[in-house]
Amino acid sequence: DIVMTQSPDSLAVSLGERATINCKSNQSVLYSSNNKNYLAWYQQKPGQPPNLLIYWASTRESGVPDRFSGSGSGTDFTLTISSLQAEDVAVYYCQQYYSGPLTFGPGTKVDVK
Amino acid sequence: EVQLLESGGGLVQPGGSLRLSCAASGFTFSSYAMSWVRQAPGKGREWVSSITGSGGGTFYADSVKGRFTFSRDNSKNTLYLQMNSLRAEDTAVYYCAKNYDESRLSWFDSWGQGTLVTVSS
Repeated sequence: DIVMTQSPDSLAVSLGERATINCKSNQSVLYSSNNKNYLAWYQQKPGQPPNLLIYWASTRESGVPDRFSGSGSGTDFTLTISSLQAEDVAVYYCQQYYSGPLTFGPGTKVDVK
Repeated sequence: EVQLLESGGGLVQPGGSLRLSCAASGFTFSSYAMSWVRQAPGKGREWVSSITGSGGGTFYADSVKGRFTFSRDNSKNTLYLQMNSLRAEDTAVYYCAKNYDESRLSWFDSWGQGTLVTVSS
């Protein structure tokens, strides 16, 4: 199984400041034949289901604000919120879909400082 | 608009059974693989099972293989997760999720609100 880890476990950022979340896989999720990274990012607010933000490591889902961006390749990935808004308080987690079983990172809680 | 509505959760004793349902609308149901993902209290998210659009292929996490059965009725746009021999460690919120496409190796672009399953005596 591919194990996903995230850092930090939580972070507090001032409104308007940048938030950076890291996700690491214990084996590459880059498929060489199409040069795509099989990684997605989700946001989950309290009492709500997860919401897809990013897929293919850097493609923003329709309707997701452009302050959210994804980067990275192979085993190391980053989700960046360029200017934190109050409504961004949530848990963020990554997921690999390179191979079964699908696995998720443990999540990073983002709060306002 | 895609809508997924789970039902069937509740309290069940260890060793008991429960059947979850997920009613889907807003998309061509039979064209997409679907999945169940669960989140135990204070723990991370765990993929449980996926099913192909036709229902001909099913895939399970090792933790539920042989105990859970995932099926779908494309005439009713409904998914079913039959859970037998339930254990305390199956206690979780179970989410129904839509795969991006027909593939079981996919991200999830829509999720239901979840239904709580509690296994306890």
